[in-house]
Amino acid sequence: NAGVTQTPKFQVLKTGQSMTLQCAQDMNHNSMYWYRQDPGMGLRLIYYSASEGTTDKGEVPNGYNVSRLNKREFSLRLESAAPSQTSVYFCASRRLGAGYNEQFFGPGTRLTVL
Amino acid sequence: GIQVEQSPPDLILQEGANSTLRCNFSDSVNNLQWFHQNPWGQLINLFYIPSGTKQNGRLSATTVATERYSLLYISSSQTTDSGVYFCAVNDDYKLSFGAGTTVTVRA
Repeated sequence: NAGVTQTPKFQVLKTGQSMTLQCAQDMNHNSMYWYRQDPGMGLRLIYYSASEGTTDKGEVPNGYNVSRLNKREFSLRLESAAPSQTSVYFCASRRLGAGYNEQFFGPGTRLTVL
Repeated sequence: GIQVEQSPPDLILQEGANSTLRCNFSDSVNNLQWFHQNPWGQLINLFYIPSGTKQNGRLSATTVATERYSLLYISSSQTTDSGVYFCAVNDDYKLSFGAGTTVTVRA
């Protein structure tokens, strides 16, 4: 199992450019998440998808859109990047079941917006 | 939302030393996870521990849910233990993270 994979690993954008961060999981989990991590802080939730076909806003959704393409894939789009979106982005999926409620994280995408 | 506080914020250890990291949370939770973020930025699951005690090699964790805290123990620390340790609790649909404890292990 590859677990949770993300592409790209690094990206540099200019203000106003757009891009899509890709995430996939092979653990057959229903729920998937996008977080951002800024220096000296924990992770904050941007958007999540409780199941295929549904998406909902998290704590910091402004400036982002998401697509739950299928059960495996959950993408995050920046339509017009701003310097405030410079961050490390993590995708996660959740194992939920009898006795389990645990999230697993991808390796992250380090994004710089100039 | 649930507040998560970790202490200490920073910890410097000599290789071979033992240490205890603490996580306090403000409300009852039905899950708690400990993560290690290594110097390359990867978040590695250490423990899923809503209550009780678990051990994995030199690491162990205890959660006392009724008193709203969890402890992570590192024994015989190694330089590879360096990084940031986060605890996170389930807060409705998301995980709420503490600010982390930065651990530096010196050879």
